[in-house]
Amino acid sequence: AQKITQTQPGMFVQEKEAVTLDCTYDTSDPSYGLFWYKQPSSGEMIFLIYQGSYDQQNATEGRYSLNFQKARKSANLVISASQLGDSAMYFCAMREGNDYKLSFGAGTTVTVRA
Amino acid sequence: NAGVTQTPKFRILKIGQSMTLQCAQDMNHNYMYWYRQDPGMGLKLIYYSVGAGITDKGEVPNGYNVSRSTTEDFPLRLELAAPSQTSVYFCASSETSYGYTFGSGTRLTVV
Repeated sequence: AQKITQTQPGMFVQEKEAVTLDCTYDTSDPSYGLFWYKQPSSGEMIFLIYQGSYDQQNATEGRYSLNFQKARKSANLVISASQLGDSAMYFCAMREGNDYKLSFGAGTTVTVRA
Repeated sequence: NAGVTQTPKFRILKIGQSMTLQCAQDMNHNYMYWYRQDPGMGLKLIYYSVGAGITDKGEVPNGYNVSRSTTEDFPLRLELAAPSQTSVYFCASSETSYGYTFGSGTRLTVV
């Protein structure tokens, strides 16, 4: 079974607008971590934001925020005030329990239009 | 601080050839990983290591081998290259449950 599901293969967003990227996860372990990475066309993996399962508040990092809904098992990434440089592939990933291996979703391509 | 260094960055192999993808980290991380990323897809775990001398299979280990003789190095070996191994390979390391560092990737084409 897929551990991480990203249902949006591609999205277009107007510059300066906000965009939400969906991510749902599947785990029975009460302790887990959720990550979002950005992969621009140059190919490197850039860490954006992390949410631990026991964190009480939603994680935020600058223009990135993670909408963590534990009961729904969703961890959506919100990018506010989109910039042209935000055009990239975005991956949601999860670590479970004491296992440090990351499981990745299939990714969502975001294209920011001027 | 170099982080995770992968070499080579690009390589073209002929079917049946062998090669080793190198990965080195200078952060003294115990955990190291090899992932592959097929075009338009997410990353899939090939092998991982929790420390020197300890390795284990990930989701897609067939056709690959690894070794971890030192904390710093985690080479990935392809013995008989096949077109299905055309992919981008990422090495990563971590020490905590939330701090992962990725290398810049090796783009491998098997023809």
